[in-house]
Amino acid sequence: GIQVEQSPPDLILQEGANSTLRCNFSDSVNNLQWFHQNPWGQLINLFYIPSGTKQNGRLSATTVATERYSLLYISSSQTTDSGVYFCAVINTGANSKLTFGKGITLSVRP
Amino acid sequence: NAGVMQNPRHLVRRRGQEARLRCSPMKGHSHVYWYRQLPEEGLKFMVYLQKENIIDESGMPKERFSAEFPKEGPSILRIQQVVRGDSAAYFCASSAASTNYGYTFGSGTRLTVV
Repeated sequence: GIQVEQSPPDLILQEGANSTLRCNFSDSVNNLQWFHQNPWGQLINLFYIPSGTKQNGRLSATTVATERYSLLYISSSQTTDSGVYFCAVINTGANSKLTFGKGITLSVRP
Repeated sequence: NAGVMQNPRHLVRRRGQEARLRCSPMKGHSHVYWYRQLPEEGLKFMVYLQKENIIDESGMPKERFSAEFPKEGPSILRIQQVVRGDSAAYFCASSAASTNYGYTFGSGTRLTVV
């Protein structure tokens, strides 16, 4: 099946810093989503972005489907950004099944 | 416009008991997916259902686990004779017929087997 790799596995930032989280995938996709799992375990949908660029406040994401990667940018980080960030994809023709990466654990320190 | 509703949020069962997890999809969504998250791991696909049909159960353990999505009512994930290894967070997601807007997840049910 499709492989999803996220990097770096862990990231520690000082409040106010910017960061880039990366997601590589091994095959063509027709769905890519970024999720934030907060410290309470809730899974928040950040972006649905199978291709192109989107922005939502301090967050933005870019997916280059032809090169099989996606980037999530966090600017002016805040302590509430802490948690685990997951990239999840649906392999083209894979019957709607999302495959998740292992996640990136972000800690933002005050 | 309520999102995906899962209940209970927390469930404690003794070994050998049954666990029933419920998921009500977003209004207008007819596709339901169950995922399991073991401690310190990502989410793993379990099963994909539409009303009264199991579309893909390739991620379900062969024994003790079953899922349904009846014509009326929520989707149910049922675990019989639970063991400690079943302790995990179970998430449900729903989507419309078209997935052009992605999947929405519920808040999950955290199952603890003691």
